[in-house]
Amino acid sequence: EVQLLESGGGLVQPGGSLRLSCAASGFTLSNSAMNWVRQAPGKGLEWVSGINAGGNSAYYADSVKGRFFISGDNSKNTLYLQINNLRAEDTAVYYCAKSLTQRVRGALDNWGQGTLVTVSS
Amino acid sequence: QSALTQPASVSGFPGQPITISCTGTSSDVGGYNYVSWYQQYPGKAPKLMIYEVSNRPSGVSNRFSGSKSANTASLTISGLQAEDEANYYCSSYTSSSTVVFGGGTRLTVL
Repeated sequence: EVQLLESGGGLVQPGGSLRLSCAASGFTLSNSAMNWVRQAPGKGLEWVSGINAGGNSAYYADSVKGRFFISGDNSKNTLYLQINNLRAEDTAVYYCAKSLTQRVRGALDNWGQGTLVTVSS
Repeated sequence: QSALTQPASVSGFPGQPITISCTGTSSDVGGYNYVSWYQQYPGKAPKLMIYEVSNRPSGVSNRFSGSKSANTASLTISGLQAEDEANYYCSSYTSSSTVVFGGGTRLTVL
């Protein structure tokens, strides 16, 4: 059974940084594209970043480009999202999601439970 | 990367069919067959219902179907049931090698 378990969220001041983790089990991380999707309180889904299987190519939404960095550790079967220079509008639940495909194309067939990031002074 | 356009809400009676539209551009919905649909209950993670325009993952009811014409994709639910009441989101791959979601549609079963 595929499972994704996010961690690393919390309360951070504007301008601060966090590293989110997503521990994967039931499949091999390097065989699937992986993604981060966020949802601000009471709002819709926003795709944030994706990485192709094998980790050779990463992609970002314009709203986070240059501040967020996605990576994977195949030895730990864990996906990461480094988020820097946080802004109030980054406040959201961050979901880790596995793609059906090896390249970032959408089709997110498994999701974690999410981790809440709150940016506030 | 503008969000895809979905109606804010749709409603229907049990047993009736409903359709939710998702409009993009030739750079996303119209340019690729990588449209997906997700169901989300409040406080829960989304669930993939349709991928690559019209494919259903294993375990998803065949009451759910997807289609696409030009820059607009559609999700149809036949024979509405009370359990279908949820928020629905479309998404598409884009020419920028990113993914974009729609704003979401709240489905109410009357």
